Amino acid sequence: KNQVEQSPQSLIILEGKNCTLQCNYTVSPFSNLRWYKQDTGRGPVSLTIMTFSENTKSNGRYTATLDADTKQSSLHITASQLSDSASYICVVIDSRGNTPLVFGKGTRLSVIA
Amino acid sequence: SQTIHQWPATLVQPVGSPLSLECTVEGTSNPNLYWYRQAAGRGLQLLFYSIGIDQISSEVPQNLSASRPQDRQFILSSKKLLLSDSGFYLCAWRETPATNEKLFFGSGTQLSVL
Repeated sequence: KNQVEQSPQSLIILEGKNCTLQCNYTVSPFSNLRWYKQDTGRGPVSLTIMTFSENTKSNGRYTATLDADTKQSSLHITASQLSDSASYICVVIDSRGNTPLVFGKGTRLSVIA
Repeated sequence: SQTIHQWPATLVQPVGSPLSLECTVEGTSNPNLYWYRQAAGRGLQLLFYSIGIDQISSEVPQNLSASRPQDRQFILSSKKLLLSDSGFYLCAWRETPATNEKLFFGSGTQLSVL
């Protein structure tokens, strides 16, 4: 069964510190992996999209990595800000087109002053 | 450009009342459409997905139903709401086939059943 596991479930860090969120998946055949940021009561917003051939992709202070061999991805947040407090969701899409998207349960990040 | 509209943004309904949430997309044709529910502090749970008009797949047995009367319209309904139906409902669409698939979410509907 296609699954996406995220860790940690929740994380609290001080403002200005870095953090790394993990995503492991078993989705096959793999098409792409996406990281989303979801503020409370809002729809998820895309941060990065990574295809099979991409190892690293950055979007401002967010850097995502992908190891397609071990089926692992990480999202690194540099110099965290209070506004980074949100849930971060990993989504893996298989290449068969019409099958459902596979979501991780998310990591709840709280950045405190 | 492609956009997705979901309404209403918030809804408070009594137990036993009916429900209708609507989602429409613009700027694309034959999208895959999805309804998700998110309980407070939880991950996204897939409720229904649709690959075409009147083609609905249900992932979780419940008292909710979905319909797709038009290519770009996806409706989530219930005849009688339960307390457990409270949650944040998200509509999403996915454009396929494409090498760089577009995947967008609506802004969500916060449903409170009292």
